[in-house]
Amino acid sequence: DVQMTQSPSNLAASPGESVSINCKASKSISKYVAWYQQKPGKANKLLIYSGSTLQSGTPSRFSGSGSGTDFTLTIRNLEPEDFGLYYCQQHNEYPRTFGGGTKLEL
Amino acid sequence: EVQLVESGGGLVKPGASLKLSCVASGFTFSDYWMSWVRQTPGKTMEWIGDIKYDGSYTHYAPSLKNRFTISRDNAKSTLYLQMSNVRSEDTATYYCTRTNPYWYFDFWGPGTMVTVSS
Repeated sequence: DVQMTQSPSNLAASPGESVSINCKASKSISKYVAWYQQKPGKANKLLIYSGSTLQSGTPSRFSGSGSGTDFTLTIRNLEPEDFGLYYCQQHNEYPRTFGGGTKLEL
Repeated sequence: EVQLVESGGGLVKPGASLKLSCVASGFTFSDYWMSWVRQTPGKTMEWIGDIKYDGSYTHYAPSLKNRFTISRDNAKSTLYLQMSNVRSEDTATYYCTRTNPYWYFDFWGPGTMVTVSS
């Protein structure tokens, strides 16, 4: 199985700042990483897929980069609604696997 | 608007069986692979498995394939997860997801919580 190591597990930031969340795969997965946002009381939301492609409706302050084994989700100019839990997931092979999550808090 | 609504969760004793359902709307259910994903109380996210759009093929997480079965009824736009011989470590929130042809999850339901305890 492809292990996805996500870091940091916790991240504190203020509105207007930029943050980065990293995911490292245990083997090359080409560009196939998706990023999700989880907020209380809301359905999980797909933000980015295939490493850097924004899902329809994802604000442009979100960006994804990386290929092979190292991937990054960057959020620029944080908005209050961006605080929550973020996960990476590899969609290159079975079984699909997720990172451990990053809690982004104020 | 795509909607996925899970049901069937609750408190169940170790060793028992439980069947979860997910009713889909807002898209042509029979055109999509569908998946189940669960999240433990510690927030670990785990893929359970998926099923082809016509129900002819399934994949499972190796650790779960002997106890969990995914099925679907396209006439009812409903996805199912049959859980057998449940264990305490199956305690989690279970999510139904629509699977994009490139194998990521583009829509999620709100989840149904399963607690395994005697």
